[in-house]
Amino acid sequence: GAVVSQHPSRVICKSGTSVKIECRSLDFQATTMFWYRQFPKQSLMLMATSNEGSKATYEQGVEKDKFLINHASLTLSTLTVTSAHPEDSSFYICSARTTRGSYEQYFGPGTRLTVT
Amino acid sequence: AQTVTQSQPEMSVQEAETVTLSCTYDTSENNYYLFWYKQPPSRQMILVIRQEAYKQQNATENRFSVNFQKAAKSFSLKISDSQLGDTAMYFCAFMNFGNEKLTFGTGTRLTIIP
Repeated sequence: GAVVSQHPSRVICKSGTSVKIECRSLDFQATTMFWYRQFPKQSLMLMATSNEGSKATYEQGVEKDKFLINHASLTLSTLTVTSAHPEDSSFYICSARTTRGSYEQYFGPGTRLTVT
Repeated sequence: AQTVTQSQPEMSVQEAETVTLSCTYDTSENNYYLFWYKQPPSRQMILVIRQEAYKQQNATENRFSVNFQKAAKSFSLKISDSQLGDTAMYFCAFMNFGNEKLTFGTGTRLTIIP
């Protein structure tokens, strides 16, 4: 149980284009989903927290107009990187929390984004 | 703001030996959770073990156990009878009670040598 998927696993896009990454909770309802960014050989940095049906809360320094997050249902959150640039190339990981009051997060397998 | 420090960037140990990874954290809160996550080469984050700060007993999961020293704000992970599949990055993480955000340490790259 508690499986989280991400799609795509790898994506290459050209500079200036937008790319969407999906995060799905496969066997549970996720009231809260989290988006992290991980640079090579570094730790995970939280980008934003999204609650189903409401606007995402972004961490300081994360551009909300560049990283659009939508959490339209209890099983799906999307991260759209708009007008991507090579410096946006990174590993993006989502996680999901099962229900309110539960503190455990389940992580997706990650998406490697390369912007050329 | 909470901080999590892992002072060992890399470690290696022979298969079947025991290894301890260190983690310290800084917080003014009294109620919180601590976690150790494993990230193998596949990059999938896997929860290894968790500890609630209000529990005095150290958490144990099979070959994995922690040494939680609340006063010292220390949370080390001991891996017994290490196996080749334990080779991975290990991240220590902190979460305040009532605040769902995880704060990760910088990680320790553990290599198990055959």
